[in-house]
Amino acid sequence: GEDVEQSLFLSVREGDSSVINCTYTDSSSTYLYWYKQEPGAGLQLLTYIFSNMDMKQDQRLTVLLNKKDKHLSLRIADTQTGDSAIYFCAESGNDYKLSFGAGTTVTVRA
Amino acid sequence: EAGVAQSPRYKIIEKRQSVAFWCNPISGHATLYWYQQILGQGPKLLIQFQNNGVVDDSQLPKDRFSAERLKGVDSTLKIQPAKLEDSAVYLCASSFHRLAGNKAVEQFFGPGTRLTVL
Repeated sequence: GEDVEQSLFLSVREGDSSVINCTYTDSSSTYLYWYKQEPGAGLQLLTYIFSNMDMKQDQRLTVLLNKKDKHLSLRIADTQTGDSAIYFCAESGNDYKLSFGAGTTVTVRA
Repeated sequence: EAGVAQSPRYKIIEKRQSVAFWCNPISGHATLYWYQQILGQGPKLLIQFQNNGVVDDSQLPKDRFSAERLKGVDSTLKIQPAKLEDSAVYLCASSFHRLAGNKAVEQFFGPGTRLTVL
């Protein structure tokens, strides 16, 4: 939705790091999420971060949150062909109702 | 553990016809969501159920859309009559009850029903 914005496309070489950026407008957001959608499949939660944190790392994934600028990023280390998908940034309050961005299509090239 | 099931996977209808979608959430999940995802956009919440009660239907076009979850498990979403702009993927998701704390954070999505209105 218009409350969450992200760039539409990202092309990355296999083995490089990918960085997907997102901005949101709701200062009362409690949780920030990254979901992955592969062709023909539903969305899958990759990771989320609580709004009082500024970083979360989970294997190849690193989430950075700048609450002052309302900026969220997802870094994927050592990007693989299986990482090709659409990545959605989302936010919610304590009610867990999600507001999604339009999605970033990540293409991994050999 | 079985995931969220949806049927049908695809549906093609003509405008002004009716259509219904079915969702079976993950066992034990009290909360069920229906989203509409138009091509090139992120999912938009249509309605949220907690057990068999509606929590939020503020984004549901109630003149043509209806949804129910009579026994607090399966849910159906109906469109009557359909318009061209209803062409989209309809996603169902489920999660633990919001009072379950961090367990309620993750929503589990089904594969969706792709609706084409001609």
